[in-house]
Amino acid sequence: TQLLEQSPQFLSIQEGENLTVYCNSSSVFSSLQWYRQEPGEGPVLLVTVVTGGEVKKLKRLTFQFGDARKDSSLHITAAQPGDTGLYLCAGAPSGGSNYKLTFGKGTLLTVNP
Amino acid sequence: GAVVSQHPSRVICKSGTSVKIECRSLDFQATTMFWYRQFPKQSLMLMATSNEGSKATYEQGVEKDKFLINHASLTLSTLTVTSAHPEDSSFYICSARDNTGALYGYTFGSGTRLTVV
Repeated sequence: TQLLEQSPQFLSIQEGENLTVYCNSSSVFSSLQWYRQEPGEGPVLLVTVVTGGEVKKLKRLTFQFGDARKDSSLHITAAQPGDTGLYLCAGAPSGGSNYKLTFGKGTLLTVNP
Repeated sequence: GAVVSQHPSRVICKSGTSVKIECRSLDFQATTMFWYRQFPKQSLMLMATSNEGSKATYEQGVEKDKFLINHASLTLSTLTVTSAHPEDSSFYICSARDNTGALYGYTFGSGTRLTVV
């Protein structure tokens, strides 16, 4: 069973601060996805990282995939209240025909104005 | 982009009745769909994998007779909560995997808030 350890679970910061969320595993993933979810809505895909060592940027968000494809991080620069939400990482299995995503436990981010 | 429509978005039902939730891929075909359950401020918990034309695969601890899944076509999967009880109240979310995409082609529905009274 593949597991993804996501930390921190809760994060409350002031507007303008920076933050990093981590997802770690002992398993290798073919890709890793980051989602943002607002209350009462389904998760919305932010980014997918596929190549080990890959770095992707989405405005103030920077995503990194570890060289060994076992871990990933999400860094937000100058957080804004609109960034508030539940952030989820999810890994897609490596090899085989099992397409189940493995989800981290999520990071509930609150950005206070 | 790929869109998954989930219906209804909210439903309130009486204890003992059954509720059906639909998950449709609107602009792509999905051999495989997934059903999740989510508690407040927590991550998604996979309930079952829905496979078109065959039986669903349930995760450990999920009652297959209570949560009936039907995936009759390449664009529609349904989850029926049978004989619902208050403890079944939750947020249910489906996702679909785009057959034509890479392994990371997953799209989520907007979820269904089920309240059993």
